[in-house]
Amino acid sequence: EPEVTQTPSHQVTQMGQEVILRCVPISNHLYFYWYRQILGQKVEFLVSFYNNEISEKSEIFDDQFSVERPDGSNFTLKIRSTKLEDSAMYFCASSALMGTQYFGPGTRLLVL
Amino acid sequence: GESVGLHLPTLSVQEGDNSIINCAYSNSASDYFIWYKQESGKGPQFIIDIRSNMDKRQGQRVTVLLNKTVKHLSLQIAATQPGDSAVYFCAENPYGGATNKLIFGTGTLLAVQP
Repeated sequence: EPEVTQTPSHQVTQMGQEVILRCVPISNHLYFYWYRQILGQKVEFLVSFYNNEISEKSEIFDDQFSVERPDGSNFTLKIRSTKLEDSAMYFCASSALMGTQYFGPGTRLLVL
Repeated sequence: GESVGLHLPTLSVQEGDNSIINCAYSNSASDYFIWYKQESGKGPQFIIDIRSNMDKRQGQRVTVLLNKTVKHLSLQIAATQPGDSAVYFCAENPYGGATNKLIFGTGTLLAVQP
């Protein structure tokens, strides 16, 4: 069964450093997403991406965040200058058109 | 504002019993709802979904009920097993299909006692 994969599974970084979180969506899907989950809280939408551009973003997704589909398989989330409050699980998801979103296993980001 | 919330943060059931997890939503324009299961350290796993033109949908051992009148969603798990222990989230698409953004509820922890 096809699945969304994410790397790395864990990332520890110093405050102010840049991080790139990587995702490989399900191959025939067209919509890609990033969500985050701060420890003990609910999953929050960050951004959706379709046809090589952002289709929607939340208030959380400020200028420190960017997304990219650098090739035909990867989808990345970059945080330019990490803050302590960026510590969270980051989930990538993908869907076929407007259908069900399938989530990856997540990257646990810890900013020190 | 928009919100999707759960009535019970923790539900403890005996193995073999049926479980019912509830969810309230606030946006009457929402037309698509999904239940996800999240095990510790893993991503949300799709369980079942339902569109607003239906009031019931069944899967394998799971049933989702939608009551649009009171804006309530429930997930029923039949013959609950230890492997069902997880946090269950409801999520809604709040804009009638104009966006793919999902809004998640706060989650209910289902604890299955052997």
